[in-house]
Amino acid sequence: DQQVKQNSPSLSVQEGRISILNCDYTNSMFDYFLWYKKYPAEGPTFLISISSIKDKNEDGRFTVFLNKSAKHLSLHIVPSQPGDSAVYFCAAKTNTGNQFYFGTGTSLTVIP
Amino acid sequence: DARVTQTPRHKVTEMGQEVTMRCQPILGHNTVFWYRQTMMQGLELLAYFRNRAPLDDSGMPKDRFSAEMPDATLATLKIQPSEPRDSAVYFCASGLSHWTSSGNTIYFGEGSWLTVV
Repeated sequence: DQQVKQNSPSLSVQEGRISILNCDYTNSMFDYFLWYKKYPAEGPTFLISISSIKDKNEDGRFTVFLNKSAKHLSLHIVPSQPGDSAVYFCAAKTNTGNQFYFGTGTSLTVIP
Repeated sequence: DARVTQTPRHKVTEMGQEVTMRCQPILGHNTVFWYRQTMMQGLELLAYFRNRAPLDDSGMPKDRFSAEMPDATLATLKIQPSEPRDSAVYFCASGLSHWTSSGNTIYFGEGSWLTVV
């Protein structure tokens, strides 16, 4: 049972444009959400996170938006750069648990 | 530069053989996770430990997989006997368990690429 879903397996964006990656979740007990970035032949690396008490968190070119009522979060990358081409995983956890639930990933390609 | 270290990076083995993957978590981290990456399931949790105690291994096929933490600096994932369907990338991750979620982050190793022929 996939509690965190990334319904778009892939996304292509022109360099300089905005990339929007989406993630949906089913467990209303999730209170902390993270995005990881993964290059081929490497492990996922932490990118940005957001607590459920916020609806937006920004770090440079990366912004994560959380819509709790819709159980939806998104990652915005502005402007997109070729080096952003990677697989992006959305993850979530509950306040009481240590387990991180991951989505299936979205492969982003930024076209120069 | 603290990081999670996994060995071996690559392993090709024959069906039926035993495979052991090792992980050295970041010093001071008290939670350790084993994930398997597949195309269909993404990052699939196999097992995780807190303070070396196994908390959840429900994601593992119990008949052939086992996970242990002999000490705080070593986690192992063993497959015996291995099967072709076990071919995947296995990631270890570690983190520091906080009483609140905020600030929790887990850090991944580079993965062990397993091919069972």
